[in-house]
Amino acid sequence: GAVVSQHPSWVICKSGTSVKIECRSLDFQATTMFWYRQFPKQSLMLMATSNEGSKATYEQGVEKDKFLINHASLTLSTLTVTSAHPEDSSFYICSAPLAGGRYEQFFGPGTRLTVL
Amino acid sequence: GESVGLHLPTLSVQEGDNSIINCAYSNSASDYFIWYKQESGKGPQFIIDIRSNMDKRQGQRVTVLLNKTVKHLSLQIAATQPGDSAVYFCADSEYLPSYGKLTFGQGTILTVHP
Repeated sequence: GAVVSQHPSWVICKSGTSVKIECRSLDFQATTMFWYRQFPKQSLMLMATSNEGSKATYEQGVEKDKFLINHASLTLSTLTVTSAHPEDSSFYICSAPLAGGRYEQFFGPGTRLTVL
Repeated sequence: GESVGLHLPTLSVQEGDNSIINCAYSNSASDYFIWYKQESGKGPQFIIDIRSNMDKRQGQRVTVLLNKTVKHLSLQIAATQPGDSAVYFCADSEYLPSYGKLTFGQGTILTVHP
């Protein structure tokens, strides 16, 4: 199957700093990628849809100025958590569907963010 | 699925037993349903999917049942093994306009005892 990677796999930062998380499709092109957030022992919640060459679409309640998304190429989307606070500590997961009308999505391994 | 942010329900079984994990979804327009397995600290892993024009689909040791009337999905795992221990999520998606946009259910923690 197709492979999606994320970097870093974990990050610890101080409150007030910004953190960038990368999501890459390694062997296929993805015009769309999705970013999810998962708190401990909870389900995945969709944050935003990242669109190559255009603005991201954010879900209700997600601050677009706090969670900056850039989909600069067909294989890379980045999520930047700006001015991170302890409540932003979570597991961030990206996914990418294969093009061509298929539904299947491939998920990255996730990034554990801890804000001190 | 219906995700309400609550702590996950659990299911404990003995090795070799069959497991049944249930899920409810709320969107009548959903056309595609998927079961994912998530191990600790990892991303979701695809298990099996089913389209809305089907009510049953079988894979290797797994079967998914779909009841559109009551918006219910189940995953059956035959001869459950310790390696099946994980969190299982259902997800659903409409075909259009939100192509690929998944809504996840709350998940179930499956623990398999040797």
